[in-house]
Amino acid sequence: EAQVTQNPRYLITVTGKKLTVTCSQNMNHEYMSWYRQDPGLGLRQIYYSMNVEVTDKGDVPEGYKVSRKEKRNFPLILESPSPNQTSLYFCASSLLTGGDETQYFGPGTRLLVL
Amino acid sequence: QKEVEQNSGPLSVPEGAIASLNCTYSDRGSQSFFWYRQYSGKSPELIMFIYSNGDKEDGRFTAQLNKASQYVSLLIRDSQPSDSATYLCAVRKAGANSKLTFGKGITLSVRP
Repeated sequence: EAQVTQNPRYLITVTGKKLTVTCSQNMNHEYMSWYRQDPGLGLRQIYYSMNVEVTDKGDVPEGYKVSRKEKRNFPLILESPSPNQTSLYFCASSLLTGGDETQYFGPGTRLLVL
Repeated sequence: QKEVEQNSGPLSVPEGAIASLNCTYSDRGSQSFFWYRQYSGKSPELIMFIYSNGDKEDGRFTAQLNKASQYVSLLIRDSQPSDSATYLCAVRKAGANSKLTFGKGITLSVRP
């Protein structure tokens, strides 16, 4: 089944404790992206990647890191989480060519930073 | 001006009515337009995309694009309670940067 998976789905942590949220897709998509969704602010892009070893900042990259060492994986790293990073996070992927620009979203990771 | 703007909601319509959701965008170079639906607590899922001016129909859904006026809309005919969700408009600019920009979304409630 074609899908985007994220782990963990729910996470409670404390300020300053490094964490990683994994994202994996099995559709051979070149493009992958991380978003955060907050009430009243909508979906905002954190980082995106157009292929292996190619990443770039989105609208709200502060406090986050990403890497793209393999095509299928795009982990989101919070080196020193703070309470303002409490949010719902979505990973998404899509093709870059071929006419289908649909972004497929993972199930989301709900993060609470105390 | 916000890059992608949607009507402030929520929008409430009776079952069987037409729901009209509107979205405007600021960048005239935008080339791809998407409507996503998001149920509470779930991830967004694509309903329709449109690239050319005019209407595009898929079942009960019609997307309308007017590049001159920089708006894209989604009509839902014969609205059902199962259509109750948040609808997100998304716009992709032309060029090598494939960034997709989302509006804040509008919540639709269909009353039985």
